[in-house]
Amino acid sequence: QSVLTQPPSVSGAPGQRVTVSCTGSSSNIGAGYDVHWYRQVPGTAPKLLIFASTNRPSGVPDRFSGSKSGTSASLAITGLQDEDEADYYCQSYDSSLSGSVFGGGTKLTVL
Amino acid sequence: EVQLVESGGGLVKPGGSLRLTCAGSGFTFRSFSMNWVRQAPGKGLEWVSSITGSSSHISYADSVKGRFTISRDNAQNSLYLQMNSLRAEDTGTYYCARDPSGSRLTYWFDSWGQGIQVTVSS
Repeated sequence: QSVLTQPPSVSGAPGQRVTVSCTGSSSNIGAGYDVHWYRQVPGTAPKLLIFASTNRPSGVPDRFSGSKSGTSASLAITGLQDEDEADYYCQSYDSSLSGSVFGGGTKLTVL
Repeated sequence: EVQLVESGGGLVKPGGSLRLTCAGSGFTFRSFSMNWVRQAPGKGLEWVSSITGSSSHISYADSVKGRFTISRDNAQNSLYLQMNSLRAEDTGTYYCARDPSGSRLTYWFDSWGQGIQVTVSS
């Protein structure tokens, strides 16, 4: 049971828009801590996708965007492409646990 | 280019010990906090431990507290994870990851190593 809750899977056709939700609580996202998103192709290392809830590292296409509100955050991917198939993880800090926490991960399938 | 390369993994019996090493290059190692994150087979990511650039602040996940020790040698550009009293549930891929801050722990990770496998089994 992960501290941050993500849907196990989402899917969309090429060109469509999909969102991945990340629900936390008052000790993490709701306390104002930033949310970060990572993309992991199975068998490879995770890669930073969004930091501080809404910022993209250099090299990440603007098709990827993040938002945060209350105790939840979302990752949106527009103009879906085949290479977007991967696992996506949200992450934040939890004051009750005094450490970093991850969501369980969401598998994105491009139909 | 930032490079993080883990080594030291392998097969160990329950109750045994293992020491992981992460070699950093392409950046000023001492200026960044560093972390270990692990992933059990077929499971999600789990934060393990963090250390600031000067080693002044260290933190651990409850699941490893008292059994694992994180340390670093800035002269060698190396990060370590000493793992004792290993259990089957410690099995997984261990990643070294850089925190963009150096003087404090911000608990997010802007660069990752390729990971190293640790298997705890009799």
